[in-house]
Parts: sequence; structure tokens; C-alpha cells
Amino acid sequence: EADIYQTPRYLVIGTGKKITLECSQTMGHDKMYWYQQDPGMELHLIHYSYGVNSTEKGDLSSESTVSRIRTEHFPLTLESARPSHTSQYLCASSEYRTGNNSPLHFGNGTRLTVT
Amino acid sequence: AQTVTQSQPEMSVQEAETVTLSCTYDTSESDYYLFWYKQPPSRQMILVIRQEAYKQQNATENRFSVNFQKAAKSFSLKISDSQLGDAAMYFCAYRQTYSMNRDDKIIFGKGTRLHILP
Repeated sequence: EADIYQTPRYLVIGTGKKITLECSQTMGHDKMYWYQQDPGMELHLIHYSYGVNSTEKGDLSSESTVSRIRTEHFPLTLESARPSHTSQYLCASSEYRTGNNSPLHFGNGTRLTVT
Repeated sequence: AQTVTQSQPEMSVQEAETVTLSCTYDTSESDYYLFWYKQPPSRQMILVIRQEAYKQQNATENRFSVNFQKAAKSFSLKISDSQLGDAAMYFCAYRQTYSMNRDDKIIFGKGTRLHILP
């Protein structure tokens, strides 16, 4: 019942390439997130957004950038990929209503390998 | 700062048995939300169960239930009648309630990998 979609599912690219990981949701959620999941499976927040034209850096320093031009779309871009960027990237969204926080809905993830 | 600790990196349980995954957290807030998420191998992370801190009653979803001990800041997940499909990483998460004056933080534990033995 995926209402949040990530593409591509798998990506192998060479060092120095520019890439964009796509994330779209159809639930009208205001809040969106990007997490990097390390091999030990721990989740690290790298970017989030409260809504259109809002973007914030997360707890983990990242060389990636994000944009939020439309509510449903939250792409993540790496200008110059490096092997250290090899990881699983998870996109998530949630409602953002006063006094009633909702759970996160996650996409299927993008597994990125930089050679 | 809030923290979430899952002290069991891996656990195993026999099929049809019951298993409990532990989670403790630290916060100075009185109102917040707690969640358990499940991430099967190579599959989407999904919500298993959630608990609102102001509710005394433990949440239950079919074979999944929690033991929420607010004073002890403990939020364990019990899986009854374990099935092969329960094999996954399980993440405990804390989310503070919304406020205009602070950031909306969601804190995840490091996860517990659950193996189901046939």
C-alpha cells in the first residue's frame, strides 16, 4: 500500500556523477524526510521539510541537497557522487497537524552504490 | 536531548513462541508519542504499533502489543505466536508533540534484528 514512491530502487554510478533520487507521496503530507541507513541499519536524518519552500538539514552532515517546490515531491541531489555516499536512502512523510503528530510513512528506499 | 535505546541488537525466537523487544528512552517531556516500526529484508519500513504517552492503556494490534511504563521510560514490544513473516529489523521511535516553538524531532533507536526459527 505504498503511497510514497522512491525511484530508482537500485542505482550504480561512477564517482563524480551528478544524481537525483526521487521521492513522491500522494497523501498530501506536509512533512517529508530523507534518512541515510548505514550497513548496521541505523537511521540518520539528513534532510527534512515542513512544506513547500521549506528545507532543513538533519542531524547527519551530508553533501546532498534537497528541494521542495511541490508538496508531493522531495528530491535529493548529489552534485558529485563519491564512494562514501554508497548507502541506502529512505524517504518518509507524515502529517504535521497541531497537537496530533502522526507516524512516518516510508518509501521502499534507494540503494545507491558509487564505484 | 531525547534518546532512544534498544539494548538487544539481535534476537531469535522459535516460530509460534512469544518474544519481547525492549526499548527505553529519555525525555523531560510529559506528552509524546512512541512507535515501533518493522523493516523486513529489502522491503518497506512499516508502522507496527504506536502509543500516546498520555494514555495509560497499552496499545494492541493483533499479535503485537506494547508494555508502556511511563515512569520507567520503557516501551517494549511483545510479539505473540511469532511467524516467519515477523523476521525483520524492528525500530523503536520517539516523537515529541507538536509545538510552534521547537523543531519536530523524531528519534529512532538503533534497531533490533529479529530472527524467527522454524
